[in-house]
Amino acid sequence: KNEVEQSPQNLTAQEGEFITINCSYSVGISALHWLQQHPGGGIVSLFMLSSGKKKHGRLIATINIQEKHSSLHITASHPRDSAVYICAVRFRSGSARQLTFGSGTQLTVLP
Amino acid sequence: EAQVTQNPRYLITVTGKKLTVTCSQNMNHEYMSWYRQDPGLGLRQIYYSMNVEVTDKGDVPEGYKVSRKEKRNFPLILESPSPNQTSLYFCASSSGVPDTQYFGPGTRLTVL
Repeated sequence: KNEVEQSPQNLTAQEGEFITINCSYSVGISALHWLQQHPGGGIVSLFMLSSGKKKHGRLIATINIQEKHSSLHITASHPRDSAVYICAVRFRSGSARQLTFGSGTQLTVLP
Repeated sequence: EAQVTQNPRYLITVTGKKLTVTCSQNMNHEYMSWYRQDPGLGLRQIYYSMNVEVTDKGDVPEGYKVSRKEKRNFPLILESPSPNQTSLYFCASSSGVPDTQYFGPGTRLTVL
């Protein structure tokens, strides 16, 4: 079965802390997305990965294809980073045109 | 400004009353999709479209219809809404598959 698991479900951090959110998937993928959902509900795409590492500002996303695992890191976290972070993958099996989503990680950064 | 728009943003309706949620993108994207988001179940794909007149079912298509007559528009149709279709709906588009998805602002639907 094609599954995506995220951890932790909830994460509370102090401002300035380094944060890691994890995503594991069950079978081979063609791409993995990291999304951010703001408290107001809007969803923004942060990264799309098929290998290696990407960096944008304080956000870093990595993927290990052999281990079927991806991490999203936030350096020097800030209260404005508080949001739900969602991992989504396109599996190679089944329909590669569909996205399967993790359950999300609720991040709260305290000042 | 590049964007995906959805209308309406909020809708309260009654069981059985047909409704349409519109989705439009101004980026000339070929791929468009609809998702619903429910507490405890996360985001799930309803339908997607690879191009004009090409649509396919996602994970939860029951009770929904879509059409793609123009590249920019991808309406979601609920012919006979039921309370279990109460949800937050998102439309998204991208220039291809796989590619960065651009999401609309969401439509909060309540079916009484």
